[in-house]
Amino acid sequence: QVQLVQSGGEVKKPGASVKVSCKTSGYTFSTYGITWVRRAPGQGLEWIGWISTYNSNMDYAQRLQGRVTMTTDASTSTAYMELRSLRSDDTAMYYCARHTVTLGFDYWGQGTLVTVSS
Amino acid sequence: SYEMTQPLSVSVALGQTARITCGGNNIANRNVHWYQQKPGQAPVLVIYKHSNRPSGIPERFSGSNSGNTATLTISRAQAGDEADYYCQVWDNSAVVFGGGTKLTVL
Repeated sequence: QVQLVQSGGEVKKPGASVKVSCKTSGYTFSTYGITWVRRAPGQGLEWIGWISTYNSNMDYAQRLQGRVTMTTDASTSTAYMELRSLRSDDTAMYYCARHTVTLGFDYWGQGTLVTVSS
Repeated sequence: SYEMTQPLSVSVALGQTARITCGGNNIANRNVHWYQQKPGQAPVLVIYKHSNRPSGIPERFSGSNSGNTATLTISRAQAGDEADYYCQVWDNSAVVFGGGTKLTVL
């Protein structure tokens, strides 16, 4: 069965970086893109960016450009999202999801809580 | 950039029909997907491409898309349907979510 399993929660200080992993299984990694989404407390879903697992094309949300980097490791079917220069308003639950443009985000990871606090 | 508007909240009596709207300019020309998110859980895809249900989603969930409004309809609402619901489209290569609607089942 399709599974996306994310790394554990993180507590970081302002200005630090965090790298979240998303290990996939149950399907051919290169046939679906990976999207990253977050939800801050009291807020709605916010798109962070996506990466193609086929050719590593990517696109990031404009407000996070310059602070976020997404990568993949096909040998382990794992995607990564790194966010730098963390601020308190980056505190959120971060999710990875498998996607196709026409079929939506059909499988999601369980979420990784990133807390930014001094 | 493309924007979509959802009502902040919708209430429905148990067993009745709830309709959650997602407004956007000529949204009928876009593939609209809908997600349900319950507290403490990851989002779940409930409708893709306007009106298609993924495997395991009850027939009570349906979608439509016309003009400037996409609609998620939940028939015979149950207590377990209480959740936040989000519409989503692609805008060129970017992903856009609606602001989300909190569904309360009375």
